[in-house]
Amino acid sequence: GAVVSQHPSRVICKSGTSVKIECRSLDFQATTMFWYRQFPKQSLMLMATSNEGSKATYEQGVEKDKFLINHASLTLSTLTVTSAHPEDSSFYICSALAGQQTQYFGPGTRLLVL
Amino acid sequence: DAKTTQPPSMDCAEGRAANLPCNHSTISGNEYVYWYRQIHSQGPQYIIHGLKNNETNEMASLIITEDRKSSTLILPHATLRDTAVYYCIVRPPGAGSYQLTFGKGTKLSVIP
Repeated sequence: GAVVSQHPSRVICKSGTSVKIECRSLDFQATTMFWYRQFPKQSLMLMATSNEGSKATYEQGVEKDKFLINHASLTLSTLTVTSAHPEDSSFYICSALAGQQTQYFGPGTRLLVL
Repeated sequence: DAKTTQPPSMDCAEGRAANLPCNHSTISGNEYVYWYRQIHSQGPQYIIHGLKNNETNEMASLIITEDRKSSTLILPHATLRDTAVYYCIVRPPGAGSYQLTFGKGTKLSVIP
């Protein structure tokens, strides 16, 4: 099946710093990728839709200046959490759309902001 | 998008079939039924999807009722590694409709 990777798998940072998370589709090209966030004991919440070569579309309530998304190639999308604060601590998961039909998810990145 | 209703939790004995139900009574004629699962602290894993016909792959079978208002995911021989939260999601086809809306899912516990 289609494989999606994320890096890093886990990151701890100080409050006020920025963190970049990479999402790669390893064996297929994806013009569309998605970024989700999951807090403990809750379900996944879509943050934004990332389209290759264009600006990301953010869900209501998600600050585009805080969560910077870049989708510069057909196999890579990045999410940068700028000026991270403890409330940004969460499990961030990306997915990539294969064949314009099925989303395949990465393993997730656990972010802890101290 | 059509809403789905799933039981919050289920138990299944190891080696037995796990039958996970999903109600989607407001589904439209061109909306697909997708199933994903999420093992603790991992990203969701795609299982199967269907439109009208029953589907089977190496992981599971998907049975969709004739009126399409409900479906059942079947894991034929559950193992301990199948313990996870299973999500049933309805998604319309076509460009601009790729987003998935995750509900609370069913927490399946496979018991030795």
